[in-house]
Amino acid sequence: AQSVTQLDSQVPVFEEAPVELRCNYSSSVSVYLFWYVQYPNQGLQLLLKYLSGSTLVESINGFEAEFNKSQTSFHLRKPSVHISDTAEYFCAVTPQGGSEKLVFGKGTKLTVNP
Amino acid sequence: ETGVTQSPTHLIKTRGQQVTLRCSSQSGHNTVSWYQQALGQGPQFIFQYYREEENGRGNFPPRFSGLQFPNYSSELNVNALELDDSALYLCASSLGGGGGVEQYFGPGTRLTVT
Repeated sequence: AQSVTQLDSQVPVFEEAPVELRCNYSSSVSVYLFWYVQYPNQGLQLLLKYLSGSTLVESINGFEAEFNKSQTSFHLRKPSVHISDTAEYFCAVTPQGGSEKLVFGKGTKLTVNP
Repeated sequence: ETGVTQSPTHLIKTRGQQVTLRCSSQSGHNTVSWYQQALGQGPQFIFQYYREEENGRGNFPPRFSGLQFPNYSSELNVNALELDDSALYLCASSLGGGGGVEQYFGPGTRLTVT
């Protein structure tokens, strides 16, 4: 079985500041890792994913995440946030070679203040 | 290309009643997954359908059931509604084939049980 822990339920930051949203996972098998974003009253949108290869993955809107197998982590970072980045962010995993069942963390609410 | 759609958007039911939620998958996708997102929590996997067959189930009682139709649209049925069933129900579609495949989420159905 898999589990995901998002260490911070809320992260307030000022505009143009850097941010890191932390994610740790537990699994007895290898996993694929994902970050999803949820804007108010909307469904989930895939932000980025790690399947294999380079452990640093990037999104088109400036976010990046690094897979650290030894620390079982997949932290999300952005060097300079915008007001429009205010949303809830979910880390998720799914076992390699298995079904597409996603196991989510409880989410981190990122609030970017002017 | 049409995205994932869900109906209805909002629904209010009384405890003990039954409810049916609907999902139209993205064009070309043959797999549909359903998730329950309680307030302040991450989505929880309910079950998945692949080519009209159930292909995995989470820790939900049998009163949660589903169907997938030949056009790959899907229904989620919940019998004997309980207050704790109040949540956002998310449908996600994908091209089956493994855990690394991206799931595309609909906007969700907000169910309130009174």
